[in-house]
Amino acid sequence: EVQLVESGGGLVQPGRSLKLSCVASGFTFSNYGMNWIRQAPGKGLEWVAYISSGSSYIYFAETVKGRFTISRDNAKNTLYLQMTSLRSEDTALYYCARQTTVVPYFDYWGQGVMVTVSS
Amino acid sequence: VQMTQSPSYLAASPGESVSISCKASKSISDNLAWYQEKPGKANNLLIHSGSTLQSGTPSRFSGSGSGTDFTLTIRSLESEDFAVYSCQQYNEYPPTFGGGTKLELK
Repeated sequence: EVQLVESGGGLVQPGRSLKLSCVASGFTFSNYGMNWIRQAPGKGLEWVAYISSGSSYIYFAETVKGRFTISRDNAKNTLYLQMTSLRSEDTALYYCARQTTVVPYFDYWGQGVMVTVSS
Repeated sequence: VQMTQSPSYLAASPGESVSISCKASKSISDNLAWYQEKPGKANNLLIHSGSTLQSGTPSRFSGSGSGTDFTLTIRSLESEDFAVYSCQQYNEYPPTFGGGTKLELK
């Protein structure tokens, strides 16, 4: 069974940093591109970042470019999102999601981890 | 690419059929996916390529459309279908989602 379990969320002050993790199981993690997608309270889903299976290709949403870093450790079956210079508008439920092919739609999602940016 | 869903809320009863619209701000060919969202559960990919059912998606779900106009139809609603549904284009980066349609029990 494919499972994606996010962790690392919490309450953080504006301007501070936070690192999210997503541990994958039930599939060969190193074969799949992975994404972070978020959902602010009362809003729709927003794609945040993508990393290819071998970390060769990385893309970011314009709203987080230069502040967020995506990485992965295929030996640990883990995806990361390093978030810096956090803003109140980054407050959201953050999901990791597997990308089934080279095209970016998402066949498995985690249950999400909440990040709240507030003083 | 901006994705606009309608309606935002929809009330229906079990056994009824409903349709949800998703419009893209420019042509996306058939590069559209539909997801089901339930609180506390992982989002579920229902349909990709506009009309291709993902493995495990019940046949009462169907998708149609291409270009800019798409529709998700659910026939003979079952209790487990009451959820939020979102469309997503993947024709170009960044992938973008519609605002969601909440399907509620009437």
